[in-house]
Amino acid sequence: DVKVTQSSRYLVKRTGEKVFLECVQDMDHENMFWYRQDPGLGLRLIYFSYDVKMKEKGDIPEGYSVSREKKERFSLILESASTNQTSMYLCASSLNVNTEAFFGQGTRLTVV
Amino acid sequence: GESVGLHLPTLSVQEGDNSIINCAYSNSASDYFIWYKQESGKGPQFIIDIRSNMDKRQGQRVTVLLNKTVKHLSLQIAATQPGDSAVYFCAENRPLRALTFGSGTRLQVQP
Repeated sequence: DVKVTQSSRYLVKRTGEKVFLECVQDMDHENMFWYRQDPGLGLRLIYFSYDVKMKEKGDIPEGYSVSREKKERFSLILESASTNQTSMYLCASSLNVNTEAFFGQGTRLTVV
Repeated sequence: GESVGLHLPTLSVQEGDNSIINCAYSNSASDYFIWYKQESGKGPQFIIDIRSNMDKRQGQRVTVLLNKTVKHLSLQIAATQPGDSAVYFCAENRPLRALTFGSGTRLQVQP
């Protein structure tokens, strides 16, 4: 079974802190994604990566950056956390284009 | 604004009935579509997918219908069970982009 593991289920951070959300997948997938999920808004794409050291902006990249130094790991970085970044963050991976994406359990981030 | 999206559409059905969840997608160039199920506290789980060269695909108790003319996708669940209660999302794969998700529909199964 594909396993996508996010390092934390719950995080509480202060405004202005630099926050790292880590995601690891164990199936040698090419593509990895970060989404945020807010009540009633569905999942919105922040960034995605189709190869090591490659990244593409999604629909809401402002305030975020990403890092993919190894194929299995995709990190989401909040350079200076703000309260409007309080959300559920979901990482996903897929083998290639037009295949299903597998999701982690999510990280619920609260910025106070 | 954000407050508009807070009220998730809800479909309430009786156990044993069939459920139909609908979704409109946005991009006529999208060529791959997926339905996901999300239970409380969990990440979305794959249910069924369909490619744009098909108009129907069946799985175990689920059927997805694709109408490219009106950019509409539906998920049919046969003999709905309490374990089917969840939020259901459709997702479309836009060319050169990642999966784009709809806002979701909550399915409530009444015993």
